[in-house]
Amino acid sequence: DSGVTQTPKHLITATGQRVTLRCSPRSGDLSVYWYQQSLDQGLQFLIQYYNGEERAKGNILERFSAQQFPDLHSELNLSSLELGDSALYFCASSPGGGNTEAFFGQGTRLTVV
Amino acid sequence: EDQVTQSPEALRLQEGESSSLNCSYTVSGLRGLFWYRQDPGKGPEFLFTLYSAGEEKEKERLKATLTKKESFLHITAPKPEDSATYLCAVRLKRSASKIIFGSGTRLSIRP
Repeated sequence: DSGVTQTPKHLITATGQRVTLRCSPRSGDLSVYWYQQSLDQGLQFLIQYYNGEERAKGNILERFSAQQFPDLHSELNLSSLELGDSALYFCASSPGGGNTEAFFGQGTRLTVV
Repeated sequence: EDQVTQSPEALRLQEGESSSLNCSYTVSGLRGLFWYRQDPGKGPEFLFTLYSAGEEKEKERLKATLTKKESFLHITAPKPEDSATYLCAVRLKRSASKIIFGSGTRLSIRP
């Protein structure tokens, strides 16, 4: 168990809908990272927050947004969902904001139908 | 364009048969290189971080090395429980500090 908690574990929704994925980092970790993993694209870095502020940005679509709250948990919001958004979404956390190893949660499997 | 390439895509070994996995990268500036292990349906598990060419790190049967253009993950006398997908990732030096993952090597160890 990495100590990173993601909810829900599974989510099935229809195209055009909006969903929110939640992540609780390991105790004491200030950084949260979001990743998308699909069969054809591999693991794609979306965004990193450090102590409530956006630290780094990857291939995150405009339809997606994230935030980190004062208690350090984070949410990833996905809107106007398309079939191609079906994937595993991982959250990871690390103590620092820079070059430290990250610990991953078990992921949320999103299926858009 | 920044790129991370892992080879081979898949590798099947007999228990005890040592081998190496490769991660080659072309990036504008390397802040660090990471190795992860991922089991099916689970999140990646951190293994190593390497920062500069010539650096080596070891953990049980695994040893990671880094040069200016690539990293190797050496597996010595593997066991069936070492079967997993091994991912490498690089963190860029640019201000955006982007992270790029390779597509992974699926390692299968036969008893």
